[in-house]
Amino acid sequence: ETGVTQTPRHLVMGMTNKKSLKCEQHLGHNAMYWYKQSAKKPLELMFVYNFKEQTENNSVPSRFSPECPNSSHLFLHLHTLQPEDSALYLCASSQASSGGVETQYFGPGTRLLVL
Amino acid sequence: GQNIDQPTEMTATEGAIVQINCTYQTSGFNGLFWYQQHAGEAPTCLSYHVLDGLEEKGRFSSFLSRSKGYSYLLLKELQMKDSASYLCAVRDSNYQLIWGAGTKLIIKP
Repeated sequence: ETGVTQTPRHLVMGMTNKKSLKCEQHLGHNAMYWYKQSAKKPLELMFVYNFKEQTENNSVPSRFSPECPNSSHLFLHLHTLQPEDSALYLCASSQASSGGVETQYFGPGTRLLVL
Repeated sequence: GQNIDQPTEMTATEGAIVQINCTYQTSGFNGLFWYQQHAGEAPTCLSYHVLDGLEEKGRFSSFLSRSKGYSYLLLKELQMKDSASYLCAVRDSNYQLIWGAGTKLIIKP
């Protein structure tokens, strides 16, 4: 048990649907992350939140919209996705500090299939 | 550009030893991580290096040479449960994590 939970674990959606992924961390961390993991590719960092403020947006298409209502919860809102967006979406959290170890703790991910 | 290289897939026999290599070219260095990810599960951190040398944790050891941009993860007395993907990640000068694509390790009886 890593202390980071994600729901749903699996999601199938059409290109016109709107859905949301949810992440919750129970570790008291102040930074949260969304990653995209595709087969045989490195983890792609999508968004970073520090103390509920978005600090990174790595050129992610606007069809992905993050929301961080508090330091324990993170959402990824999805709309009009493309088949190439099918992947495993991982949430992670860490205790942000300058120069610290900041090990990231991951959730189990949401396996997304876009038809 | 920044790059992490590690083999895509390796196969080893139960009870044997396997070494997974990772080479990196990054803008600065502020630590290297090894993560283990079983299929369908969360990646979990195995080790963290900021200084050169060898660190041992039970059956797993990890080594770092910053001058060579090189690290390895050594797994001894392999067990079937060690079948997983092993991810190498480097923190650059901006404290951003740069990830390798992962090495899928297959353990055979």
